[in-house]
Order: sequence, then structure tokens, then C-alpha cells
Amino acid sequence: AQKITQTQPGMFVQEKEAVTLDCTYDTSDQSYGLFWYKQPSSGEMIFLIYQGSYDEQNATEGRYSLNFQKARKSTNLVISASQLGDSAMYFCAMREGNFGNEKLTFGTGTRLTIIP
Amino acid sequence: GAVVSQHPSWVICKSGTSVKIECRSLDFQATTMFWYRQFPKQSLMLMATSNEGSKATYEQGVEKDKFLINHASLTLSTLTVTSAHPEDSSFYICSALGLDTGELFFGEGSRLTVL
Repeated sequence: AQKITQTQPGMFVQEKEAVTLDCTYDTSDQSYGLFWYKQPSSGEMIFLIYQGSYDEQNATEGRYSLNFQKARKSTNLVISASQLGDSAMYFCAMREGNFGNEKLTFGTGTRLTIIP
Repeated sequence: GAVVSQHPSWVICKSGTSVKIECRSLDFQATTMFWYRQFPKQSLMLMATSNEGSKATYEQGVEKDKFLINHASLTLSTLTVTSAHPEDSSFYICSALGLDTGELFFGEGSRLTVL
């Protein structure tokens, strides 16, 4: 079964508009972490934002925020006021396991293209 | 911020040769490092998890004799692709888990092309 599901292979958004990237996850762990990474064409993985499973408030980091719905096991990334430089692949990831036994699993990604 | 460095960034080799990729945490200690493989337009697939001083844990379907992982110190893990073949051509990315902070940092990736 897929651990991390990103249902949007690609999205086109007008510059300056907000965009929501979907991500659902599946785990039986009580403690886990959820990440979003951006991967531009250069290939590097750029950390964007993190949400711990016990965090009650939605994480925010500048123009990035998470809509974390624990009961639904979803953690959607919201990018406000999109910019041309936001065009990239976006990956949702989940960290499970305890110290010495962690594992980070990635979703299939969403290719975001910002249109001027 | 913490930096993870991978070397080399690009490597082209002949079929049958072995290639070593290094992953270093530059300003923090990492007890755990992860190695991923990414084919074009696909996601990162976890290959193995390496813990300092112990044998790596490989994901199902990953040949441990082909992809040798060594994590000899808290700042260095290496991935050796042995007897590389064209189908091993891929983008290999490492990530390191900070010992103190629990944060995860990625290397820049290494693009392997086997001719």
C-alpha cells in the first residue's frame, strides 16, 4: 500500500495566486513527522516545512503553510502569492520509526508550473 | 544551516566499473544517513538506511552486494555501485539525520551515467 499519496501529477497556476498541493499518508505510528520538499530542475532537495504528528497548530514558514488534518491523514501544502521561482517538483514525505530505526518515505510528487 | 555534501556531483563511467559516492555532514554529526535513488521524472526511492558503525538496512528489491554502503563515522557515509551497468544510471541522493536536532538534511545529489 502506498504510504504517501500525492494525487496531482501536475498543476498550472497563475502567478500571484495561492496554490494547494495535496498529500495524504498512511501510518500506524503514533509519532511521525511530515515534510514538504521542493526539487527544482537542478535536482537538489530543498526543505520547505515540517509538521510533527503531535503539533496542534498548523505549521507556517513564510509563504508556506500546512493544512494538517490528522484525522483525515492529510497534510496539504499551501503556497501563498505564488512566484515564477516556485515552479518545481514538490514532494511530500513522512518520517516514521524511532531513533536508529527511522525511515523517510516520499510521495510521487507534484510538478508545479507558475504561469506569468 | 547544516550542510550535507555529496561527491561527486556528476560521474560517467564504463560498464563493469565500480563507482563510489560520498555523503558528508559538514557541520553536524549524523548517526543515520539515507540513500535514495531517483529516476527521471519519478520520486525518490529509498534504497537503504545506514547507521554509524553498523550494517546498512536495505529496502526490499535493492541488492546489497551491488550497492555497498559504509557508514564508518558520524560524518561520512559512502555508496559504492559495484560492476555498474547502464540500468544503474540514475540520480543518487543522500540525506543525513542530525544527532542532536533530529532534523534531516539532503545532499546535492550525484548523477551517475554508465556507458
